[in-house]
Amino acid sequence: RKEVEQDPGPFNVPEGATVAFNCTYSNSASQSFFWYRQDCRKEPKLLMSVYSSGNEDGRFTAQLNRASQYISLLIRDSKLSDSATYLCVVNWVTGNQFYFGTGTSLTVIP
Amino acid sequence: DAGVIQSPRHEVTEMGQEVTLRCKPISGHNSLFWYRQTMMRGLELLIYFNNNVPIDDSGMPEDRFSAKMPNASFSTLKIQPSEPRDSAVYFCASSLGRGSDNQPQHFGDGTRLSIL
Repeated sequence: RKEVEQDPGPFNVPEGATVAFNCTYSNSASQSFFWYRQDCRKEPKLLMSVYSSGNEDGRFTAQLNRASQYISLLIRDSKLSDSATYLCVVNWVTGNQFYFGTGTSLTVIP
Repeated sequence: DAGVIQSPRHEVTEMGQEVTLRCKPISGHNSLFWYRQTMMRGLELLIYFNNNVPIDDSGMPEDRFSAKMPNASFSTLKIQPSEPRDSAVYFCASSLGRGSDNQPQHFGDGTRLSIL
């Protein structure tokens, strides 16, 4: 079983739509969680960390459910510029290991 | 602030040649990671270092690949001899591995490697 699993998509949504991505992780000892964004032919960039109580950054909301071992990302009022691949990342503090999901592709359509 | 710096940005070489990729992590970060990304296989962790010591090199494809971190501010990934199947984007990332506080990885721009 992979440490982190994501639905690869693709998700094709119209501008203004709300879209949600989920990601599951296998190790209950995982300590830190992140969402990254990767544009075509670019490096992954940190979008936001995911905190236990959930957190919001503008149109983006991240949630963590430790009991069910999943994290989610909600994007409201999608913009064309949101088109990218979104990667969920789980960190095992012991040894500082990071595990990346395979990414979910999002295309926002005019 | 300077981010993770990788060089070269692009490398095109013939198979059989030695390739050396370089990385300077963010100052003060004590963990460094080398990744390879292709369309077919996605993002793969090759090796990572904590405090200049290799911790997990199980992702290194074979003996042709080697990585070193002689000091806290520099690392190299070497391929010798290179083969066409090594063509990929190679990313270096660093993080401040400091325990339970959320410390993400920061990526360099990557090296786009083409082996002819």
